[in-house]
Amino acid sequence: KNQVEQSPQSLIILEGKNCTLQCNYTVSPFSNLRWYKQDTGRGPVSLTIMTFSENTKSNGRYTATLDADTKQSSLHITASQLSDSASYICVVEAAGNKLTFGGGTRVLVKP
Amino acid sequence: NAGVTQTPKFRILKIGQSMTLQCTQDMNHNYMYWYRQDPGMGLKLIYYSVGAGITDKGEVPNGYNVSRSTTEDFPLRLELAAPSQTSVYFCASSPLRRGYNEQFFGPGTRLTVL
Repeated sequence: KNQVEQSPQSLIILEGKNCTLQCNYTVSPFSNLRWYKQDTGRGPVSLTIMTFSENTKSNGRYTATLDADTKQSSLHITASQLSDSASYICVVEAAGNKLTFGGGTRVLVKP
Repeated sequence: NAGVTQTPKFRILKIGQSMTLQCTQDMNHNYMYWYRQDPGMGLKLIYYSVGAGITDKGEVPNGYNVSRSTTEDFPLRLELAAPSQTSVYFCASSPLRRGYNEQFFGPGTRLTVL
């Protein structure tokens, strides 16, 4: 069964600090992995998409990494801002366009 | 472009009532989807459509129905609401494209069944 597990479930960080979110997956056959940001009361918005051959991708202060051998990904947030407070969802697409969603990590940035 | 729009934003239903959640996209996307999101859980696919006139079941279709008469609209129907259907519902769309299935999400409808 395809699964995507994220950790931690939630975290609190101080404004200006860095943090790293983790995603482990068992999805086969793998096509790509993406990270979404979901603000409270909104739909998810895509941050990065990585295929099998890509091991890092950045979008501003967000940097995602992918290790396809160990089936792990991370999302690093640099110099956090209050607007980074949101849920971050790891999504893995299998061949055939089937998506499996992780439960998300809720990030709260405090001043 | 407005993107993907959903109405209503919030709704409270009594057990056994029916309602339709509306979803419209103005990006001329072929694919459309309905998901539900329960607290702390990943999104679960209810139904999807690959084009007008074509719909198919996702992971959790029981208690729901859909139709796709136009490219733009993909309404979700709840016939006999149950407390287990209390959730946030998201509609999404994606273009017909080789490579990856990039989905664009609406703002969601929060439904409570009492």
